[in-house]
Amino acid sequence: NAGVMQNPRHLVRRRGQEARLRCSPMKGHSHVYWYRQLPEEGLKFMVYLQKENIIDESGMPKERFSAEFPKEGPSILRIQQVVRGDSAAYFCASSPPNSGENTEAFFGQGTRLTVV
Amino acid sequence: ILNVEQSPQSLHVQEGDSTNFTCSFPSSNFYALHWYRWETAKSPEALFVMTLNGDEKKKGRISATLNTKEGYSYLYIKGSQPEDSATYLCALRSGSSNTGKLIFGQGTTLQVKP
Repeated sequence: NAGVMQNPRHLVRRRGQEARLRCSPMKGHSHVYWYRQLPEEGLKFMVYLQKENIIDESGMPKERFSAEFPKEGPSILRIQQVVRGDSAAYFCASSPPNSGENTEAFFGQGTRLTVV
Repeated sequence: ILNVEQSPQSLHVQEGDSTNFTCSFPSSNFYALHWYRWETAKSPEALFVMTLNGDEKKKGRISATLNTKEGYSYLYIKGSQPEDSATYLCALRSGSSNTGKLIFGQGTTLQVKP
């Protein structure tokens, strides 16, 4: 059972371009979470999705950022018109459905976005 | 805004020393407290999920305790080894759902010198 897969591992974008980050959850997991780690900061929650639904987007910036988790395929975090301040490591985690109170979240290795 | 605090921010110990660090969190609306171990260039690895006041969990030389009434958890490492060097994160899940978001502390970075 492969772990949570994120790609690309490293992404360089020029200011104004779009960045697309992909996350394939573990097999059987239907819950996906995106977190961002800015330099010198901890992991900050961005968005929580289930298949075809956004459940909690309270941590998403209001503009330029969007996320989806389609019925088929990976979850995508999309950043339009990137700026230098978007440079960070973006981590995805997944959880299985209905696993009781001890439900764990399993993390991918992250995508490091650099905006030049 | 929920705030999860960890202390100390960093810790340097000698091989063989035992050590512990703290995670503090708001005690209201508590659901679960997660501990993760995060090595450089790897993904955070789950250590424990703790839900009940007074919970104690153990994995090898690492153990954790939970006090939900006063809002803190301790992580202990007995006889630290160089391979224990990592950042240890705690994360709070609040509300009533076992799938709600995790709010992370800043982490405690442990360096074990041989």
